[in-house]
Amino acid sequence: EVQLLESGGGLVQPGGSLRLSCAASGFTFSSYAMSWVRQAPGKGLEWVSTISASGGTTYYPDSVKGRFTISRDNSKNTLYLQMNSLRAEDTAVYYCTGGFNWFDYWGLGTLVPVSS
Amino acid sequence: EIVMTQSPASLSVSPGARATLSCRASQSVGSNLAWYQQKPGQAPRLLIYAASTRPTGVPARFSGSGSGTEFTLTITSLQSEDFAVYYCQQYNKWPPLTFGGGTKVEIK
Repeated sequence: EVQLLESGGGLVQPGGSLRLSCAASGFTFSSYAMSWVRQAPGKGLEWVSTISASGGTTYYPDSVKGRFTISRDNSKNTLYLQMNSLRAEDTAVYYCTGGFNWFDYWGLGTLVPVSS
Repeated sequence: EIVMTQSPASLSVSPGARATLSCRASQSVGSNLAWYQQKPGQAPRLLIYAASTRPTGVPARFSGSGSGTEFTLTITSLQSEDFAVYYCQQYNKWPPLTFGGGTKVEIK
């Protein structure tokens, strides 16, 4: 059974930093591109970042480019999202997802409120 | 950026009836479109990719159609567990990957 378990969420002040982790199991992690998708409270889905299976290529929308960094450790089956210079509008549930063009697998999500 | 527009925003349907959800792209995305279902308090779940392909485990009452800029998700014989929010997402031209705003299917 595929499992994606996010951790690292929590209250952070504007301008602060946070690192999310996602532990993967039940599939060949090193063969799968991975992504982060977020959902602000009561809102729709927003793509945040994607990383290739090898980790050699990353993709971001303009809204987070230069502030967020996606990475992975295939030896630990773990995906990361380093978030810097956080803003109130980054407040959301962050989902770890498996997939490149579309998202086959989803974690339960971790809430990141950005507030003073 | 390709903008995805879903209609209607909400839909009231009786159990056992058919629901038809629409998704429109601001430019052609070919068949590079996915659909997701999200129930309250849960993560989204992939229903359809490549506009009409169901992953293993998705019931046959869910079907996708369309290409270019116009797409439809049809749910035949709605079950109680199908009342949820549905999102479309294009992957033809990215970054960015973009989602529609969602359609909420409610019990009539």
